[in-house]
Amino acid sequence: GAGVSQSPSNKVTEKGKDVELRCDPISGHTALYWYRQSLGQGLEFLIYFQGNSAPDKSGLPSDRFSAERTGGSVSTLTIQRTQQEDSAVYLCASRRQGPAKNIQYFGAGTRLSVL
Amino acid sequence: SQQGEEDPQALSIQEGENATMNCSYKTSINNLQWYRQNSGRGLVHLILIRSNEREKHSGRLRVTLDTSKKSSSLLITASRAADTASYFCATDAVGGSNYKLTFGKGTLLTVNP
Repeated sequence: GAGVSQSPSNKVTEKGKDVELRCDPISGHTALYWYRQSLGQGLEFLIYFQGNSAPDKSGLPSDRFSAERTGGSVSTLTIQRTQQEDSAVYLCASRRQGPAKNIQYFGAGTRLSVL
Repeated sequence: SQQGEEDPQALSIQEGENATMNCSYKTSINNLQWYRQNSGRGLVHLILIRSNEREKHSGRLRVTLDTSKKSSSLLITASRAADTASYFCATDAVGGSNYKLTFGKGTLLTVNP
């Protein structure tokens, strides 16, 4: 079936503006992750959703970052009052229910550039 | 610092040669995974090795795990230009959440035709 879909693929915004990034996980995958990848760096965990459980927001770098997942499917990551240091690739991943093996399936990411 | 640290940071080889990348980690793990990321794309899972396994094969990939040294290696044999990508190890730590993976910074592999 279709993989993880993210939109937009690229986003250029001005400092101080708000942005919304969207992730459509693989159908039937109940777990969803957001990561941030800065140039030449590994993946920085941001937030995790699993079914109807409270999300793990421990990786969100500031209160300007928030995410929601409606209906247990599509998720949006919102960054308010963007700063230049927010420039990065934001990756979404999903996986099947249950922690066994924890193999994650990634979207192609949204490249955010804050001018 | 990152749980997983890959080395080298970058590796350039000729097509047909073997490529070896290493990953070191700090805490005990349940399993370790390797992912590939082509330029401008998301990560793709390659192979998973459990903490009680020492070696695993998948096609041209061979992964080893040495839990006493807290290290793993990924060997790609008979490399192809299409193997050009960044390779990341990801660890699932014992005692951590059962859903988080910690990724290293990756090794950028370039295979020259």
